Amino acid sequence: EAGVTQSPTHLIKTRGQQATLRCSPISGHTSVYWYQQALGLGLQFLLWYDEGEERNRGNFPPRFSGRQFPNYSSELNVNALELEDSALYLCASSLALMANTGELFFGEGSRLTVL
Amino acid sequence: DAKTTQPTSMDCAEGRAANLPCNHSTISGNEYVYWYRQIHSQGPQYIIHGLKNNETNEMASLIITEDRKSSTLILPHATLRDTAVYYCIVSRAQKLVFGQGTRLTINP
Repeated sequence: EAGVTQSPTHLIKTRGQQATLRCSPISGHTSVYWYQQALGLGLQFLLWYDEGEERNRGNFPPRFSGRQFPNYSSELNVNALELEDSALYLCASSLALMANTGELFFGEGSRLTVL
Repeated sequence: DAKTTQPTSMDCAEGRAANLPCNHSTISGNEYVYWYRQIHSQGPQYIIHGLKNNETNEMASLIITEDRKSSTLILPHATLRDTAVYYCIVSRAQKLVFGQGTRLTINP
């Protein structure tokens, strides 16, 4: 069974540009989560989508946005890139009732570098 | 979500049991305790979770105190591949808030 897949693996952008990161959840999972991990820091919760709706959002500015498609895959968009947006962006998926299973399955991440 | 406190780093000899503590004194009744780990440059990996009772799976055991204010993750026979950052998370919602974790180093 395929795990959570993310693309691209690496992305280099310049300040002011836009970045789009993609995530395909495990088959059967309806929830997708996005996390940001800047160098040397912990994982910061960004967004949670379930059944196509944004369910929760972390403390990030509006230029971080995303969506979830009918096939449950997801996109994270970062507009007006700033140098501090350079980080590893991790996507995770889970069954709808995550609290019952306790398990998020993470992808390997997309490393965004802003120059 | 309740906050957790973990030691910044720990060392353990290969083959010995690694005991990783976590304090979560403000935990509320419906919050679970989750443990994840992140091996360098990889996505975090789920280890175990529990509410009140002690739990065991093929990876580890989770011991939760009776007052639920602290817990211990036990890796019974640590190997070099267990070297990672271990995160203790307390949450009731579909949002896991990761702290800084404990950097566990397994020494040969």
